[in-house]
Amino acid sequence: AQKITQTQPGMFVQEKEAVTLDCTYDTSDPSYGLFWYKQPSSGEMIFLIYQGSYDQQNATEGRYSLNFQKARKSANLVISASQLGDSAMYFCAMRDLNSGNTPLVFGKGTRLSVIA
Amino acid sequence: GAVVSQHPSRVICKSGTSVKIECRSLDFQATTMFWYRQFPKQSLMLMATSNEGSKATYEQGVEKDKFLINHASLTLSTLTVTSAHPEDSSFYICSARVDSIYGYTFGSGTRLTVV
Repeated sequence: AQKITQTQPGMFVQEKEAVTLDCTYDTSDPSYGLFWYKQPSSGEMIFLIYQGSYDQQNATEGRYSLNFQKARKSANLVISASQLGDSAMYFCAMRDLNSGNTPLVFGKGTRLSVIA
Repeated sequence: GAVVSQHPSRVICKSGTSVKIECRSLDFQATTMFWYRQFPKQSLMLMATSNEGSKATYEQGVEKDKFLINHASLTLSTLTVTSAHPEDSSFYICSARVDSIYGYTFGSGTRLTVV
C-alpha cells in the first residue's frame, strides 16, 4: 500500500522568502509518480508539479521545484520568492504508474501562510 | 487542457433528502472518475472509483447504498447522497484520469451542508 506523510500541519514564511514543504512516501511499487497540489480556500485542486520515480533530474515549474531524494523516499516542495497568493493548503500525492487507473493517494497536507 | 465541470458548487439540503452532484468532462472522455470526500482541515479521502458502464468500486467503510455513483457515459459521472444527514456535510470533489503524464484533473468541488 502507498502512504504519504506530511509532518508539517502549518508553516509560515515571509513574503519573498523561500519555503520547503516536506513530504515522505512509502511504496513497494518500482514505478510511481509524485505530485504536489495547492488548494486555496475555494477548494479547487491546483496541480503544481510532478516527479516520476525514474526521472533523473528534479522537476521544476516556475517558482516551484521538487527536491526528490529517492533513497530517502522524500519529495519536498520548494517554493521560491513566496507571494501572498501562495497562502493555501498544499498536498503531496502519489500513484502507482504500472496500473492504469489507480487513484491518487494524498498526504494530510500543510497549511502555508505567507506573511507580508 | 482537460476540464472537469462539477455542479453544484455549494448546496444546502434538509436532513433526509437526497442530493445529486454531477461531474462532466468537457473536452475529453473520462473512462474513470474518482470521488473524494474532504472534511474540514483534513485530507482528501477516496470514496469510490467509477468506470464508465460498470459498477463503482467503493473504499472500505463507504456505504454504497448511501453514496450512489453512476457513470453511464464517458462524459458524465454522478454522486447521489441519499437520505443525507448532518454528518454527511463535507466537501466532495471528483477527479478524472486524463491521458497525460500528469494523470489527473479535478472538478471544482461541491460543499454540501445538511441541516
